Amino acid sequence: IAMIQSPLTSPVTLGQPASISCTSSESLLHSDGNTYLSWLQQRPGQPPRLLIYKVSNRFSGVPDRFSGSGAGTDFTLKISRVEAEDVGVYYCMQATQVPCSFGQGTKLEIK
Amino acid sequence: EVELLESGGGLVKPGGSLRLSCAASGFIFTSYAMSWVRQAPGGGLEWVSAISGSGTAGGTLYADSVKGRFTISRDNSRNRVYLQMNDLRPEDTAVYYCARPWDYWGQGALVTVSS
Repeated sequence: IAMIQSPLTSPVTLGQPASISCTSSESLLHSDGNTYLSWLQQRPGQPPRLLIYKVSNRFSGVPDRFSGSGAGTDFTLKISRVEAEDVGVYYCMQATQVPCSFGQGTKLEIK
Repeated sequence: EVELLESGGGLVKPGGSLRLSCAASGFIFTSYAMSWVRQAPGGGLEWVSAISGSGTAGGTLYADSVKGRFTISRDNSRNRVYLQMNDLRPEDTAVYYCARPWDYWGQGALVTVSS
């Protein structure tokens, strides 16, 4: 399954919202009723970190300014108010079908 | 606390071999499948291989790009997962991450394939 993200670069002002879109080439609805779409954050020089799983569930310790939404083939990650520590690359990934696959990444930078 | 720690990376010549190791702690290791994901310099994330919790031969998967060259295995008595990499190519140069799909990731091990 191909995962396409947009934009590839997102310049944002501190304190302002940000939004990243992810579109899959096939529906990510699994036969078990779950949609295995996750969002990962990779800060500079760091490994990826799970932010959101199954479309809209925040992982432990993730600030509530991060939210995920979507269904089927279209998904969105929103940051309500961008902070300096949010700088990095954000990836969507699907684990509905084997093999799992990742989007190209969206680089979030501060204006 | 869940921890994943990779080791075994380094510089190897094309055609050479390397074995990565991932030491896991803080969770019931046999309850989880484990995966390797790689990231080429300046690039995105690419899934490489996965192994089931039991580690039986039928419980392994590989990306087409490494099939026949890489072998994933695990030692549940030592809470470790391995990636044996043979016939390495320059395009295999990457940071290799061990992951407990997909909530925990290690810090990564750099593999450089160059003459």
